[in-house]
Amino acid sequence: DQQVKQNSPSLSVQEGRISILNCDYTNSMFDYFLWYKKYPAEGPTFLISISSIKDKNEDGRFTVFLNKSAKHLSLHIVPSQPGDSAVYFCAATPGVGNEKLTFGTGTRLTIIP
Amino acid sequence: SAVISQKPSRDICQRGTSLTIQCQVDSQVTMMFWYRQQPGQSLTLIATANQGSEATYESGFVIDKFPISRPNLTFSTLTVSNMSPEDSSIYLCSVGDRGSDTQYFGPGTRLTVL
Repeated sequence: DQQVKQNSPSLSVQEGRISILNCDYTNSMFDYFLWYKKYPAEGPTFLISISSIKDKNEDGRFTVFLNKSAKHLSLHIVPSQPGDSAVYFCAATPGVGNEKLTFGTGTRLTIIP
Repeated sequence: SAVISQKPSRDICQRGTSLTIQCQVDSQVTMMFWYRQQPGQSLTLIATANQGSEATYESGFVIDKFPISRPNLTFSTLTVSNMSPEDSSIYLCSVGDRGSDTQYFGPGTRLTVL
């Protein structure tokens, strides 16, 4: 049972445009959500997070939106840059801090110069 | 954020053997975790490494297959025992502190079992 789903395995976006990566979850106990970026042969790198008490969190070019009623979150990257090409994972946890993370299957983002 | 190293970075092993993976952190951390990423799959939590006590394993993972040690707040090992080709994966450790809002991952160990 996949509790966190990323339905788009891949996404291609022109450089300078907006990249939107989506994530859905089924477990109502999830209360805190994170996005990680992963390059080949490296571990995941933390990007941005959001608590369920918020519906938006912004950090530079990265914005995460949370729709708790729809159990849906999205990561917006604008403007997209070639260095953003990587696999992006969303993850969820029942609480802030170091509860175990449940990861989605990942979306491979390719930025086209 | 903590600097995390893993050894080895990659290995090719024969069926039936065991491999121990080390995770070293440059500062004391409360929480350490071990994850597995099978080819084309997501990251799956294997266990939480508890300092001074037995690890807490997730459903589907057992101590006999994945023994874990955590002798102090900066170091942990994961052993993959009696390996089979199905154990071919990337194994990652992650760390965090209570009250912090995220976990940080090591670079991973890419294991291939022939």
